[in-house]
Amino acid sequence: GENVEQHPSTLSVQEGDSAVIKCTYSDSASNYFPWYKQELGKRPQLIIDIRSNVGEKKDQRIAVTLNKTAKHFSLHITETQPEDSAVYFCAARSNDYKLSFGAGTTVTVRA
Amino acid sequence: GAVVSQHPSWVICKSGTSVKIECRSLDFQATTMFWYRQFPKQSLMLMATSNEGSKATYEQGVEKDKFLINHASLTLSTLTVTSAHPEDSSFYICSARAGLNTEAFFGQGTRLTVV
Repeated sequence: GENVEQHPSTLSVQEGDSAVIKCTYSDSASNYFPWYKQELGKRPQLIIDIRSNVGEKKDQRIAVTLNKTAKHFSLHITETQPEDSAVYFCAARSNDYKLSFGAGTTVTVRA
Repeated sequence: GAVVSQHPSWVICKSGTSVKIECRSLDFQATTMFWYRQFPKQSLMLMATSNEGSKATYEQGVEKDKFLINHASLTLSTLTVTSAHPEDSSFYICSARAGLNTEAFFGQGTRLTVV
């Protein structure tokens, strides 16, 4: 099955700086890569996603890049704000249409 | 996005009893629902996949007789934790999607505490 690895596990940034989270996946058949933000005790919220026919996607301060050859994808958050503090999960969906999640990154934005 | 409602949001039960958790898609028909378990500070682990009208498919290591899943309609799936024990205490989250290649939406989760 699919195996998704996520780094770093924790990330502390100064408000206004950028945050980058990286993920790798193992199944070359995976074709959909969503990113979720989860606040403590709440449901994961989809913040951005990318499909395998696209190399980059941007939505305001959030961007995702995908390198199919290397099987890795990254989340970039620019101009971070305190409300960006949360746990972020990457995921990959393969041919069985199931999502496999990374271990998560706890992001702390220091004011 | 679409709305998935999970009930209850939290439950405390005694060891040995059973607990039922409901997952409803409120504004779309969910052909597939997924059940996840999330321990503190860990990732979401898929427990099982349920398709309306058929038996659920369980992930390796998940006991199907302990975690009973019923997907009786296109808007409702239930997870019953039978003979619950303290080690079953966790955050259980469902997600639902309308079709194979569509986005899956998450319920708000159920915090289960077994005492």
